[in-house]
Amino acid sequence: KAGVTQTPRYLIKTRGQQVTLSCSPISGHRSVSWYQQTPGQGLQFLFEYFSETQRNKGNFPGRFSGRQFSNSRSEMNVSTLELGDSALYLCASSFLNGGEQYFGPGTRLTVT
Amino acid sequence: GQQVMQIPQYQHVQEGEDFTTYCNSSTTLSNIQWYKQRPGGHPVFLIQLVKSGEVKKQKRLTFQFGEAKKNSSLHITATQTTDVGTYFCAGQDYNAGNNRKLIWGLGTSLAVNP
Repeated sequence: KAGVTQTPRYLIKTRGQQVTLSCSPISGHRSVSWYQQTPGQGLQFLFEYFSETQRNKGNFPGRFSGRQFSNSRSEMNVSTLELGDSALYLCASSFLNGGEQYFGPGTRLTVT
Repeated sequence: GQQVMQIPQYQHVQEGEDFTTYCNSSTTLSNIQWYKQRPGGHPVFLIQLVKSGEVKKQKRLTFQFGEAKKNSSLHITATQTTDVGTYFCAGQDYNAGNNRKLIWGLGTSLAVNP
């Protein structure tokens, strides 16, 4: 099976802009979770979608949003970018919500 | 709120020494998962433990789930340079019902001197 894919892999944006990241899960996986990773901060959970419904949400401001499509592909959007949003954004898919996570390579976002 | 504390945050060992990382939860967990992230890479699933007192082995790696299902450990015997990376634990709150949100530890970064 093909693994989790994320696009784009690298992105440079300016403060105040918005960005959309995409994630294609492993075939057959219906759960997609998003994480933000910065040096020394571990994996910060953003949200989890299962069958197009948001099942869980982390403690991030409303500027961070996501959605999942009927084919389980997911997108996350960050509006009004801030310098502190610079991070590696990881997407993970699993067969069940909360199940073992299979991570994509991530999108490295740099906000200048 | 629910927390999973992972210690130590960093560990530096000589190749051939043993290494252990611990996860302690403030609540009872349904299960616990372990992941490894190599430098520059993404987390990779290692194992899931479900039963109280469960012990599983993968070659030089030994995973344990505590009797009370509140703590877990990962032990590596005779570390090698290929073990370098950050090890994360993640558990599901037993009392969360259908909300199966994973609670992540902050990870233990392992460095191995050849």
